[in-house]
Amino acid sequence: EIVMTQSPATLSVSPGERATLSCRASQSVSSNLAWYQQKPGQAPRLLIYGASTRATGIPARFSGSGSGTEFTLTISSLQSEDFAVYYCQQYNNWPPAWTFGQGTKVEIK
Amino acid sequence: EVQLVESGGGLVQPGGSLRLSCAASGFTFSSYEMNWVRQAPGKGLEWVSYISSSGSTIYYADSVKGRFTISRDNAKNSLYLQMNSLRAEDTAVYYCARLTDGYSYYFDYWGQGTLVTVSS
Repeated sequence: EIVMTQSPATLSVSPGERATLSCRASQSVSSNLAWYQQKPGQAPRLLIYGASTRATGIPARFSGSGSGTEFTLTISSLQSEDFAVYYCQQYNNWPPAWTFGQGTKVEIK
Repeated sequence: EVQLVESGGGLVQPGGSLRLSCAASGFTFSSYEMNWVRQAPGKGLEWVSYISSSGSTIYYADSVKGRFTISRDNAKNSLYLQMNSLRAEDTAVYYCARLTDGYSYYFDYWGQGTLVTVSS
C-alpha cells in the first residue's frame, strides 16, 4: 500500500497570507495525485488533479506542484472560504488501491 | 448539474447488515465508473469499493472484502453498497463518488454522504 503523509497536521494562517501544504508518498506516484478540500459537514471537493491541473471552477489562487513522491498545494492569498481540511490522494495503482493522506487543517490565525 | 444523493444509512448492531443507495442525475450514469469512499468520525478518507461502468469489473479494499458488495442499476441511475457482517470499525460517513472519465482515477464529484453507525 502506498502511504500518503501530509504535513503539517494543522496550519494557522491569517486571511490574505500564503499557505503551503505538503504531501509525501511512500513510493513514486508519478503525477497521479489529486487534492481535495473538505469543509465541516460537506463532501470533499476536487481542487487539483494530475498534481498541478486545477479542476473546473477552482480559483487561480490554488496551485499544485510536484511529482514522484513530493507534492505541494499552495493557496496564494487565503480567503475566508478557504479555511477547511485538505486531503491529497494518489491514484497511481491499478487495480485500485487508492489512498489518501490524513489531511491538513487550515485554520484562521 | 451532476448530483449524487446517498441514502440508507443508520444505526445497526455489530454483525448486522445495511444497504446503501446512491441516486445519480445530471450525467450519463452508465458511462461512468463509480466508487464508495468512507470517512470515520473525525478521521480521513478511505476508498472502499469500485465498479466499472457496465458493472462487470469490481474491486474492494481489503478491509471490506468478503463482507461488502457493490452493484449498480444503470436503468435506474443508481449505485448500491450491500454491507454485511458489520463491525464497529465500519462506522463512518459513506460517500458515493464518481471517477473522472478517461484513465485517471480521481473523484470529480461526490455525494453528501450517509452516516452508518455500528453499535450495540
